[in-house]
Amino acid sequence: EVQLVESGGGLVKPGGSLRLSCAASGFTFSSYSMNWVRQAPGKGLEWVSSISSSSSYIYYADSVKGRFTISRDNAKNSLYLQMNSLRAEDTAVYYCARDWRIQHIDYMDVWGKGTTVTVSS
Amino acid sequence: DIQMTQSPSSLSASVGDRVTITCQASQDISNYLNWYQQKPGKAPKLLIYDASNLETGVPSRFSGSGSGTDFTFTISSLQPEDIATYYCQQYDNLRTFGQGTKVEIK
Repeated sequence: EVQLVESGGGLVKPGGSLRLSCAASGFTFSSYSMNWVRQAPGKGLEWVSSISSSSSYIYYADSVKGRFTISRDNAKNSLYLQMNSLRAEDTAVYYCARDWRIQHIDYMDVWGKGTTVTVSS
Repeated sequence: DIQMTQSPSSLSASVGDRVTITCQASQDISNYLNWYQQKPGKAPKLLIYDASNLETGVPSRFSGSGSGTDFTFTISSLQPEDIATYYCQQYDNLRTFGQGTKVEIK
């Protein structure tokens, strides 16, 4: 079964750091680009970051650029999001999502259940 | 940055009604648009990719159309299980989601 399982969420004070992980199984992780998408309480979806299969290409939303770092370990079938200088507005459920890409078509076809990050003093 | 504007933000319709949601991009994104469904407490689910292609296993009452800057998502006959929030998402330049449309049963 194709599966993504996020972990690492929790309560952190403003200015603090947290590292999220996403464990992949049931597919060849090293062949796929991956994404982080977040959803603040009662709000819509916000794309956060993407990383290509070999980590050659990395992209961030402006709202997290310079504070968050996406990475992956293909040997461990794992995706990570290092979050530094956290702010109250980073409070959200964070989802990892697999990128399906063929020719010009690109969509997020497999999603984890999410991990909750709360930034509060 | 490409902005995606969805409308309406919410709607209420009866079972069997035709439901239409629009999504407008701030610049030409060709067909580079997907539609997702999100039920409360759940992760999003892909319904439509490349503006008009139905994802495998998704009921045929869901459809999408459009290109350039204007896109439409339609549920031809609303069912109780379709209660959810629907999002458009562009992938022409990075990724941007619309703000979502909450669909409720009247």
